[in-house]
Amino acid sequence: GAGVSQSPSNKVTEKGKDVELRCDPISGHTALYWYRQSLGQGLEFLIYFQGNSAPDKSGLPSDRFSAERTGGSVSTLTIQRTQQEDSAVYLCASSSSTGAGNTIYFGEGSWLTVV
Amino acid sequence: RKEVEQDPGPFNVPEGATVAFNCTYSNSASQSFFWYRQDCRKEPKLLMSVYSSGNEDGRFTAQLNRASQYISLLIRDSKLSDSATYLCVVTEGGSYIPTFGRGTSLIVHP
Repeated sequence: GAGVSQSPSNKVTEKGKDVELRCDPISGHTALYWYRQSLGQGLEFLIYFQGNSAPDKSGLPSDRFSAERTGGSVSTLTIQRTQQEDSAVYLCASSSSTGAGNTIYFGEGSWLTVV
Repeated sequence: RKEVEQDPGPFNVPEGATVAFNCTYSNSASQSFFWYRQDCRKEPKLLMSVYSSGNEDGRFTAQLNRASQYISLLIRDSKLSDSATYLCVVTEGGSYIPTFGRGTSLIVHP
């Protein structure tokens, strides 16, 4: 079946511009996560959505970052006034539920380069 | 959020070797444990879950030591295709957010 789908795959943007990254989770998955991975670094948690509950935004690095999830499915991560340090791969993942032991499945990521 | 620590390596081993990685976690209330594999410029993919009783999947064996707060991954008869970064993943009790270690790099050479 279809996995987690992310778009765009690659994005080059000028410093100061806004970007939107999209994630379409696996059908039926209620939990959705955004992580960021800078070159040669580990995965950094950004935000978590579960059903209709308020999202856990504790990982967002600044108020330039925001995310929403419409209809409990597709999610959009928005970065305003991009900076060079925002350059990274943004990974979306989904899970069928949030019980302990549930596997999360990643999309291929959106590679963002800020020039 | 608590820490998950891994030796970054790289572990450079010949084909056929046995290699083991450890991962330590700081929160004793952690409940879920996984090993993921990440190839260069690819997304992480689940390798195996880690159960309290330990589990084996072919050449791969994962173990959990709650008393010492670490998990391990053993790879037997290494293949060239095992070359990748292995990520330790821990979810604390009461949290829904998996924490990833920075990964251990494995290079298997002919």
